[in-house]
Amino acid sequence: TQLLEQSPQFLSIQEGENLTVYCNSSSVFSSLQWYRQEPGEGPVLLVTVVTGGEVKKLKRLTFQFGDARKDSSLHITAAQPGDTGLYLCAGARHTGFQKLVFGTGTRLLVSP
Amino acid sequence: GAVVSQHPSWVICKSGTSVKIECRSLDFQATTMFWYRQFPKQSLMLMATSNEGSKATYEQGVEKDKFLINHASLTLSTLTVTSAHPEDSSFYICSARSQGRRYTDTQYFGPGTRLTVL
Repeated sequence: TQLLEQSPQFLSIQEGENLTVYCNSSSVFSSLQWYRQEPGEGPVLLVTVVTGGEVKKLKRLTFQFGDARKDSSLHITAAQPGDTGLYLCAGARHTGFQKLVFGTGTRLLVSP
Repeated sequence: GAVVSQHPSWVICKSGTSVKIECRSLDFQATTMFWYRQFPKQSLMLMATSNEGSKATYEQGVEKDKFLINHASLTLSTLTVTSAHPEDSSFYICSARSQGRRYTDTQYFGPGTRLTVL
């Protein structure tokens, strides 16, 4: 059972456009991570959010953890071709609990 | 910091043979490592949790006799796919949880191993 649903599943945009990826669940998570994965490689951690309502910025990427810690969003401003990849959210159900539940993934393609 | 390596990066084998994949944490000690499987254009599916010095915990539906996991040290875990068949072909990714980090739920991923069984 996939507990984290991401939307959209696939997004194709032009360079310079803005976009938002959503990660939703009916379950509460103690923390949530966002990863980016390129073909043939492992996921690379972008950010970890822990507190409900928390907002973190990483250059042109803005991450938000929902107030109830059930959802999260990733907003990219002025997307660039280098942002192309598979974006994955992953949540931990309990503090210190080891397993991560991965989202369904959002494949982003940014064309020049 | 927090670098995880995997070896080999890709392997092609004949049906019926066994394949061993290594996962190493290079600059930190990892009491826990995780093994994932990823099919093309899909997300990661957790196969098992590997704890140093103890038996691995497998997710529902994962055959423990098929996918043997050994976590012999704080920096090395191995996954052996026994009697591999074409349906075992996939991208296998490991991750390691670092001790003493602020966010204990954070995992650092290896680059993956692509297994192709002919």
